Amino acid sequence: GENVEQHPSTLSVQEGDSAVIKCTYSDSASNYFPWYKQELGKRPQLIIDIRSNVGEKKDQRIAVTLNKTAKHFSLHITETQPEDSAVYFCAARPELRNQFYFGTGTSLTVIP
Amino acid sequence: GAVVSQHPSWVICKSGTSVKIECRSLDFQATTMFWYRQFPKQSLMLMATSNEGSKATYEQGVEKDKFLINHASLTLSTLTVTSAHPEDSSFYICSGQIHSYNSPLHFGNGTRLTVT
Repeated sequence: GENVEQHPSTLSVQEGDSAVIKCTYSDSASNYFPWYKQELGKRPQLIIDIRSNVGEKKDQRIAVTLNKTAKHFSLHITETQPEDSAVYFCAARPELRNQFYFGTGTSLTVIP
Repeated sequence: GAVVSQHPSWVICKSGTSVKIECRSLDFQATTMFWYRQFPKQSLMLMATSNEGSKATYEQGVEKDKFLINHASLTLSTLTVTSAHPEDSSFYICSGQIHSYNSPLHFGNGTRLTVT
């Protein structure tokens, strides 16, 4: 099955700096890669996603890049703010199998 | 939109008893419901996938007779932890999906289960 690895497990940045979280996947058939943000005690919320026919997608301060050849994708948060502090999960969904496999999560702390 | 309501948010039960967790999609029809288990500071581990009207598909290592999943309608799925043991204590979270496949997941708020 699909195996998703996520790094780093924890990340601290100063407010205003950028944060980058990286994920790799094993199944070359995966074609959909969402990112979820989970604040303490709350449900995971979809923040951005990318499909395999696109190399990059941006939504305001958040961007995701995908390298299909290397089988890795990354989340980029620019101009970080304290409210960006949360746990971020990447996920991959193999084509033809409607199952989502999650990375191990990255706890991001933005220091004011 | 796309709200999933999960109840209860927390429950404490004694060993040997059963606990039912409900997930309702309030404003959409969840063709597929996924059930995850999350350990402290760890990722979401997929337990099973259920499609409305069909038997759930369980991930390897998940006991289907222990974790009973029912998805009888497009707006309701339930997970019953039978004969609960302390090692079943965990955070259980459901997520619904519209139309399947090309749709993202919409998560419930989760249920914190503590078995004493």
